[in-house]
Order: sequence, then C-alpha cells, then structure tokens
Amino acid sequence: NAGVMQNPRHLVRRRGQEARLRCSPMKGHSHVYWYRQLPEEGLKFMVYLQKENIIDESGMPKERFSAEFPKEGPSILRIQQVVRGDSAAYFCASSQQANTEAFFGQGTRLTVV
Amino acid sequence: TQLLEQSPQFLSIQEGENLTVYCNSSSVFSSLQWYRQEPGEGPVLLVTVVTGGEVKKLKRLTFQFGDARKDSSLHITAAQPGDTGLYLCAGATPTGNQFYFGTGTSLTVIP
Repeated sequence: NAGVMQNPRHLVRRRGQEARLRCSPMKGHSHVYWYRQLPEEGLKFMVYLQKENIIDESGMPKERFSAEFPKEGPSILRIQQVVRGDSAAYFCASSQQANTEAFFGQGTRLTVV
Repeated sequence: TQLLEQSPQFLSIQEGENLTVYCNSSSVFSSLQWYRQEPGEGPVLLVTVVTGGEVKKLKRLTFQFGDARKDSSLHITAAQPGDTGLYLCAGATPTGNQFYFGTGTSLTVIP
C-alpha cells in the first residue's frame, strides 16, 4: 500500500520559470492538503482540495500560485514566475475524510536560482 | 497568529533521560496528531488522539490529550539517539478545513 507520493523530490528553477509539483494521495484518499516549510520553521497551510474542488485556499498567495486536483491523476501545485522567496520544501498530505488524520509525502524541495 | 504553541522549542538531553513536550492552544480541536520529522524527509504520523483525556502509548512514547481538547503532551521515557528529530503537533478544528501545526520541538538525544 503505497503512501503519499510526491515528485520531483528536488526541483531547481531559474527566476521567472514555472514550477509544477505533483502529489499522488494514498489509495482511497480524496482529500489533499498542501503545506510549505521554510528552514527551521513549521509547516504553513496553503490549500485544501477534494477531488476536482478547491475547498480552502486561504493560505495560498493570490498571485502566481494555483492548485488543482483533477478527477484523474495527481494533485498539482503550480507556481508561475518563481522568485527566490519561493524556495522552500513543499509537502502534500492526504486523508480519507475531512479533518481526519493526514499522511504526508516526502516533499518537493524547490530551489530558485 | 499561531494557533498551537509547542514548548520547549529546542531540547538537548543525554541518552536514557526522560522528557516531555507540550502542545498548547486556546482553541478546541476535534482531533490532534503528533508527527516526527527528520531532516530532508516528510512528517511521519506517530499518533492521533480524539477524546478528551485520552492517553495513548507507543512503546516508550506516551501521548495525552487534554480534558478540554485544547492541549496535548508527548512524554518520552529513556530517550535514545534514534528519537532525535523535529516533533510536531497538529490539530483539526471542528469547523476548519486544515490541520494547524505547532511551532515544533527540535529534540537531540546525545549518546
């Protein structure tokens, strides 16, 4: 039973490029959460999605950031025109039901150069 | 505003000692999770507590959920170097759409 799968594990982008981060939830899980973590800091909520719907995006910057969770395929976190401040570890978690225990992937470490 | 405060923020102890990490809030949570995260990895779920006053044990780790479901503690007995890591508490509110994470406790167990 595979856990939450994120790819790529490491991503390097030049300023102004686009970053696409993928997350496949655990089997049977239809709730996906994205978090960002800066070095020596805790996890900051970005967005919560349920299949094909964005439920809560209150933690996601209004510009350049978007997320989707299509009927088929992984959830995608997209960052357009990346800047150095976007460099961080981005974690995805999934749960079977809303607000039940969530399981995390290993994260994508984005570095903007 | 940080919904969940953890203390201490940093803890360095000798192998074999006991320790307690606290997770406090003024908000009520429908459930609370404890995670451990190692450098370069994602948080790994240790336990979920849902009932006020609940106590769960996982080998040398004891987790307690406060009676009012606003706080929790993690007690480690006879710490080992393998316990080293970042311990995070996370709570789900009854009406919220996210897990609120604590500030984290970085534990180092010295052999």
